[in-house]
Amino acid sequence: DTGVSQNPRHKITKRGQNVTFRCDPISEHNRLYWYRQTLGQGPEFLTYFQNEAQLEKSRLLSDRFSAERPKGSFSTLEIQRTEQGDSAMYLCASSLTGQGGEQFFGPGTRLTVL
Amino acid sequence: GESVGLHLPTLSVQEGDNSIINCAYSNSASDYFIWYKQESGKGPQFIIDIRSNMDKRQGQRVTVLLNKTVKHLSLQIAATQPGDSAVYFCAFTGNQFYFGTGTSLTVIP
Repeated sequence: DTGVSQNPRHKITKRGQNVTFRCDPISEHNRLYWYRQTLGQGPEFLTYFQNEAQLEKSRLLSDRFSAERPKGSFSTLEIQRTEQGDSAMYLCASSLTGQGGEQFFGPGTRLTVL
Repeated sequence: GESVGLHLPTLSVQEGDNSIINCAYSNSASDYFIWYKQESGKGPQFIIDIRSNMDKRQGQRVTVLLNKTVKHLSLQIAATQPGDSAVYFCAFTGNQFYFGTGTSLTVIP
């Protein structure tokens, strides 16, 4: 499978714990995006990388959230001191510069904070 | 802030009929307007996009229309099939990437 992969697919954690998600983009894609989606809503942009550079961050991305893409390939999204409001589906997508609006999404990581 | 709105949260059509899904937006400074389809339990899937300097673009069974005067985007699906049942999101690019709240399309056999 050469699509975007995300791990884990599901994560249940207790409030206050830290969690980390991984995204592996399509190998030749230089752009990588993170989104959060809650039930009945569209994906909300969190941040995106071009190669290893983090170019944009949403105001939704509080100080408890951090994303990295150290070698311009896979990316991690860490949430520190999780809160119940962090419960959501976290989606990763990748694209190539010049592909217009087309992004390829992974299946997501569903986070449940108890 | 940016906003993307959809006129109808749900849409039901008979199999074989054409479907039209509408979207209103507020930001004029966008390079691309895009439609995505999301099936239950899956990530969004790109359908078609249109550059801001175009009015119409056609794909396989789909047509996207962009009316910048009234800031309106629509997706037309010809000969709707049961496999088209999903939630459809409009989106647009700016410094960030914005999605609407979605329209749930149900195709009645």
